[in-house]
Amino acid sequence: DQQVKQNSPSLSVQEGRISILNCDYTNSMFDYFLWYKKYPAEGPTFLISISSIKDKNEDGRFTVFLNKSAKHLSLHIVPSQPGDSAVYFCAASRGAQKLVFGQGTRLTINP
Amino acid sequence: EAQVTQNPRYLITVTGKKLTVTCSQNMNHEYMSWYRQDPGLGLRQIYYSMNVEVTDKGDVPEGYKVSRKEKRNFPLILESPSPNQTSLYFCASSGTSGGRDEQFFGPGTRLTVL
Repeated sequence: DQQVKQNSPSLSVQEGRISILNCDYTNSMFDYFLWYKKYPAEGPTFLISISSIKDKNEDGRFTVFLNKSAKHLSLHIVPSQPGDSAVYFCAASRGAQKLVFGQGTRLTINP
Repeated sequence: EAQVTQNPRYLITVTGKKLTVTCSQNMNHEYMSWYRQDPGLGLRQIYYSMNVEVTDKGDVPEGYKVSRKEKRNFPLILESPSPNQTSLYFCASSGTSGGRDEQFFGPGTRLTVL
């Protein structure tokens, strides 16, 4: 069973607009959440994270929101830039040992 | 330069022929892990290691072996590869915690088993 789900396989956004990527999880024991970004022919790279004691974390153009009651998190990118075109994975953890990843969303920023 | 390296980057093999994918990190990280990426399934963890001589199963360990004899190396072994192991494989490392620390990923190994 997929404990972390990204239901949108792809998303297309115009340059300069806001990109919103969504992620849902089923395990209420998850207490730490991360977003990774992946370009073709490269490994994923860490983008931003949030602990379950928070509901928002910002880092420059990237903001992650966590809604624990809905078991939902989202990544906002404002403004979107062409270099943001990539596959984005959300991931969740319970404790120190392992991450569970979603299926990924391919974001395309159109000029 | 801090990095995780994997070799080979591409490999085509046949069913049943044993192979090893090497992984090495130069960041003195304690935690290392192997993932496979498949369309529609995202990244799934195969095995992880919290430190030297300490390994444990991830979510999809069947058909794979690992060892952690040195801190920097974490090879993935397929004793008898099968076509369902055709996938894109990533090795990753992080400071102490795979679930809390940022994981650094290698560039990936694309494996095809015929």
